[in-house]
Amino acid sequence: DIVMTQSPATLSVSPGERATLSCRASQSINNNLAWYQQRPGQAPRLLINDASTRATGVPARFSGSGSGTEFTLTISSLQPEDFAVYFCQQYYKWPFTFGPGTEVDIK
Amino acid sequence: QVQLVQSGAEVKKPGASVKVSCKASGYSFSTFGLNWVRQAPGQTLEWMGWISTLHGNTNYAQNFKGRVTITTDASTSTAYMELRGLRSDDTAIYYCARDDFYFDYWGQGTLVTVSS
Repeated sequence: DIVMTQSPATLSVSPGERATLSCRASQSINNNLAWYQQRPGQAPRLLINDASTRATGVPARFSGSGSGTEFTLTISSLQPEDFAVYFCQQYYKWPFTFGPGTEVDIK
Repeated sequence: QVQLVQSGAEVKKPGASVKVSCKASGYSFSTFGLNWVRQAPGQTLEWMGWISTLHGNTNYAQNFKGRVTITTDASTSTAYMELRGLRSDDTAIYYCARDDFYFDYWGQGTLVTVSS
């Protein structure tokens, strides 16, 4: 199985600041990577697919980059509603696998 | 609008089975595959399996093979996930999620608690 890792586990950021989250795959997954946001008590929400394509309705402050094994999610200016847990997921190969998540909390 | 509405919370004893439903609306059911993903308390997401809503073929994660069955009823636009031989570590929120690779719409989740 492809193992996904994320860093850091927790990221403390002030509102309005930039946040950079990393995701690494144990083997090349081309650009077959998605990012999800999960707020407490809610289902995950798709933010980014194909490593860099914003999903419908996702604000432009969210951007994704990378290919192969290294990926980044950037939130350019954190809004109060962005404090949540972020997961990456590879869909290059079954079984689809998720990273352990990065919690973005208020500094 | 696209909606996936799941059945309610369940409490089961170890060794029992659970069957969770996921009713789709707002789109053509057979156009997109459906997946089941679970999340144990405080943990990450774990993909369980996928079904083609057009052809009915399935693919299951090795961790669940032999214990899980995913089916659909096209007449009601509903998918089902049955998990057998429940153990305490199956306690989790179970989600259905649309599409074949990345998941653009999710159900609200169904809490399954396994406890004696």
